[in-house]
Formats: sequence, C-alpha cells, structure tokens
Amino acid sequence: AQSVAQPEDQVNVAEGNPLTVKCTYSVSGNPYLFWYVQYPNRGLQFLLKYITGDNLVKGSYGFEAEFNKSQTSFHLKKPSALVSDSALYFCAVRDKGGTDKLIFGTGTRLQVFP
Amino acid sequence: DAMVIQNPRYQVTQFGKPVTLSCSQTLNHNVMYWYQQKSSQAPKLLFHYYDKDFNNEADTPDNFQSRRPNTSFCFLDIRSPGLGDAAMYLCATSSQGGIEAFFGQGTRLTVV
Repeated sequence: AQSVAQPEDQVNVAEGNPLTVKCTYSVSGNPYLFWYVQYPNRGLQFLLKYITGDNLVKGSYGFEAEFNKSQTSFHLKKPSALVSDSALYFCAVRDKGGTDKLIFGTGTRLQVFP
Repeated sequence: DAMVIQNPRYQVTQFGKPVTLSCSQTLNHNVMYWYQQKSSQAPKLLFHYYDKDFNNEADTPDNFQSRRPNTSFCFLDIRSPGLGDAAMYLCATSSQGGIEAFFGQGTRLTVV
C-alpha cells in the first residue's frame, strides 16, 4: 500500500536560516508527491507537487522540494525561513493510475523563531 | 474566484443529534473527497465520489454517510455524532486524472 512518512513531529528553525522538512514515500509505481501547508483552523493549502521531470520542484511562498528516487524522499526546503512560515506541513502521495486517493503523512509542525 | 467552500466553518451539535456538513465547488471537478482530521493529525479519508460513484473507505464507520446531488455539492451526514467524532472535516476536489486536490477551509465540529 502506498504511504508517506514524516519522521519529525516538529522542526524548529531561526528566522533567516534554511529549513528542511523531511518526507519519505512508499509506492508500488511512480508517485505523484505533494506538499500542503495548514494554518490553525484552516484547510490545507497546496504548496507544490512532483509529477515527473526535474527533481527540484519550486512552489509557492519560496518553497521547493527535491525528489530523490533512490532514497524515496521528497524533502521540503526553503533557503531563508520566515516567522510567518510557522504552520503544520503535510506530505502526501497519490498513486499514478491508481484510485485518485490522496494519502497524507502525519504532519510536521514548523516553528520559526524570530 | 473558483474555489471549494465549506459551510459552516464551525458547527456545534449535541451528542446523538444528526448533523450535516456541506461542501460546494465552482471548479467543476468530478472527484470530491471528505476527510476527517483530529487535533493536528493527518487527514483521514472517509470517502470520495467519482462523479456519482461513491467510494467508501473500509474503516469509515456506518455513522458517516454522504450525498452528492450534483457536481457542485457534496454533503457529509453524521447520523448520531459521538464525542469521538469531534474533529475538523475537510472537503476537497480534483479533476478526473488531475493531479493536486483543492481543499476547502474545513468545518470544525464540536459535539456536546
């Protein structure tokens, strides 16, 4: 069964420093991979996706993610964190040609300190 | 703007009293999803519609039902809410063969 894992419950980083939020996936075929962000009492906002092609994907708000097939990872990155980036981040996977289900990781809370 | 709209944003219901949450979309997407999310956990898929075809997850309790009268609207009915059903309920849409899903703002359900 397809799944994603986010090994860190929380990531703390100082404003202006680079940030990384980790995600690994497990699927039988080639995956569609996503990152979503959630602010308190809000729905999920789409940040970026990997479908195929270039392994470095750029998304909203200066975020990017690197797809690594050999390590089955799709880590979210940003060169310089902002306090306003503090939120809950979810990695998700959809199986290509599958049932259209979107399966989420357990989430990582990002805390950016001034 | 095209979007996914959930009403209400906050819903309080009594233990055992049926409650309905609604979702509408202007994206004309044929796939609609309902997720349950408890206290900052991962959203858990309850069911989804592929057009009018209903797909229930195996572990979704019978207490949860859904209706989709047309492309634009989808409803989540909780027949007899228990305290454990208090959660954020998220509606999402995607196009057939589409890539990302688009989420509404969610409805936070409180059971008293």
